[in-house]
Amino acid sequence: GAVVSQHPSWVICKSGTSVKIECRSLDFQATTMFWYRQFPKQSLMLMATSNEGSKATYEQGVEKDKFLINHASLTLSTLTVTSAHPEDSSFYICSARGGRLRDQPQHFGDGTRLSIL
Amino acid sequence: AQSVTQLGSHVSVSEGALVLLRCNYSSSVPPYLFWYVQYPNQGLQLLLKYTSAATLVKGINGFEAEFKKSETSFHLTKPSAHMSDAAEYFCAVSGGTSGSRLTFGEGTQLTVNP
Repeated sequence: GAVVSQHPSWVICKSGTSVKIECRSLDFQATTMFWYRQFPKQSLMLMATSNEGSKATYEQGVEKDKFLINHASLTLSTLTVTSAHPEDSSFYICSARGGRLRDQPQHFGDGTRLSIL
Repeated sequence: AQSVTQLGSHVSVSEGALVLLRCNYSSSVPPYLFWYVQYPNQGLQLLLKYTSAATLVKGINGFEAEFKKSETSFHLTKPSAHMSDAAEYFCAVSGGTSGSRLTFGEGTQLTVNP
């Protein structure tokens, strides 16, 4: 149980392109979803938290107009990197959490490797 | 604010040897603690979690961790390492004013030598 699917797993595109990444909870309802960015050999950096039907809460320093997050249903959240540039190249990982209890763990997708040329 | 410190960015053990990955946390409220494993180019997989029940927590793949409040530690152990255990391991804490947000340690790369 608790499977999170992230798609695509790998994207290469030209500078200036917008890229959409999907995160789906396959067998549970995700009341909260999280988006992380991970640089090589580093830990995960939280970008934003989204609750179903609400606007995402962005971490300090993360441009909300650059990284658009939509959490329209209890099983799907999307991250759109708008007008992507080479510095946006990174490994993006989503996670989903079901229920309201604070001890519920986050379940992670397999990540998306984004390369901007 | 909560924080996690993982002592040792790299740990190397021989196959069959004890695995010990260290994690110390800082939290003003009773924490929820987690260990995750990450294989190359993949997301994170939950190994185990501590949520104020038993202090010795058993997880998947033979791993376990012990919550020690007096030492603010949550070290991860496995009696006998397998080659397949080679991966990056992250300790994380949540709770209090952070709510469900996870604060991760910097990670420990485990190498298993044949």
